[in-house]
Amino acid sequence: QKEVEQDPGPLSVPEGAIVSLNCTYSNSAFQYFMWYRQYSRKGPELLMYTYSSGNKEDGRFTAQVDKSSKYISLFIRDSQPSDSATYLCAMKSVDNNDMRFGAGTRLTVKP
Amino acid sequence: DAGVIQSPRHEVTEMGQEVTLRCKPISGHDYLFWYRQTMMRGLELLIYFNNNVPIDDSGMPEDRFSAKMPNASFSTLKIQPSEPRDSAVYFCASSFGGYTEAFFGQGTRLTVV
Repeated sequence: QKEVEQDPGPLSVPEGAIVSLNCTYSNSAFQYFMWYRQYSRKGPELLMYTYSSGNKEDGRFTAQVDKSSKYISLFIRDSQPSDSATYLCAMKSVDNNDMRFGAGTRLTVKP
Repeated sequence: DAGVIQSPRHEVTEMGQEVTLRCKPISGHDYLFWYRQTMMRGLELLIYFNNNVPIDDSGMPEDRFSAKMPNASFSTLKIQPSEPRDSAVYFCASSFGGYTEAFFGQGTRLTVV
């Protein structure tokens, strides 16, 4: 079993839809949870950063962390064609800077 | 700041040749990470440095891979000899403090034929 599991998709939605992206993990030591967005042939860029459990909202994006279930989510409201990219979850523990990534979910938002 | 700068952007080399990938982190950042991305294995950490010192190289696949950071503004990842299975996109990333955002470069797409 991988430390971080993420459905690679692909996921295709119409413009304006609500998108839900998810990851599960097995290492209970993970405390920092991140979502990166990666456009084709570009490096990943940080979208959301959360410490421990809870919700965090930034514009159309909401990140949720449920440590009891070892489950994290990213919601995108009013999705736009410009949101089409691969979304990678990432996480790391307090005592280790080794950031573990999910496989990435490829999202396409159709106009 | 121009961000993390990697060179070259693309590299095509023959099996057995030495390949050197280069990275300039963001000024002031004290952590530098080398990642490899493939379709099969996703994004994998190869090695990371703190204040120019290698901290964890457990992700380096074989002795053919080596990384150095001679100063705070430059790092190299070397593969010698290269093999076709080394074909991947190699990313360099840097951060300040280790627990903050890691900024990625544009990557080097390596093809070994």
